[in-house]
Amino acid sequence: NAGVTQTPKFRVLKTGQSMTLLCAQDMNHEYMYWYRQDPGMGLRLIHYSVGEGTTAKGEVPDGYNVSRLKKQNFLLGLESAAPSQTSVYFCASSYSKTSGNPYEQYFGPGTRLTVT
Amino acid sequence: KQEVTQIPAALSVPEGENLVLNCSFTDSAIYNLQWFRQDPGKGLTSLLLIQSSQREQTSGRLNASLDKSSGRSTLYIAASQPGDSATYLCAVFSSNTGKLIFGQGTTLQVKP
Repeated sequence: NAGVTQTPKFRVLKTGQSMTLLCAQDMNHEYMYWYRQDPGMGLRLIHYSVGEGTTAKGEVPDGYNVSRLKKQNFLLGLESAAPSQTSVYFCASSYSKTSGNPYEQYFGPGTRLTVT
Repeated sequence: KQEVTQIPAALSVPEGENLVLNCSFTDSAIYNLQWFRQDPGKGLTSLLLIQSSQREQTSGRLNASLDKSSGRSTLYIAASQPGDSATYLCAVFSSNTGKLIFGQGTTLQVKP
């Protein structure tokens, strides 16, 4: 199993550009999450999804949109990037109906985004 | 509002020492507490998960304890090795919010 994968690993954007980060998991997990990690701020939840076709806002959702069209994928979009969105973005997943702890989260390797 | 605090923020020890990392949380309404390891430039690796009904979990040289009533958890690392150098994050899954709340982490350096 690959677990949780994220693409791309690195990206540099100019202010105002848009991009989509892709998260994929092969553990048949129901729940998926997007976090950002900033120095001195820890990890903060951006958006999450409790199932295919459903999404919800987390702690810092402004400036981001998400979609979960397929159970295994969770996309994070930035419509008009700002320097304040320079961060490391982590995707996570949890909860298989057939096995495992529903609240144990598994993390991807992260995407390092710089907005100039 | 659930807040998670980790002390100390950084720790440097000689190889072979036993050490304790601390985590405290303000709201005892939690489903579980999870300890993660993060290497520089990498993602988070889950080390131990303690259910709210449990007191401790062990994996190899690692032992995590949970005292829900006092809002505290400790991660004990026995016979530390240079390979243990990393940032250790504590996170609680809050019953009230249904979300994982993270501490700021403790950065550990084990010197040969």
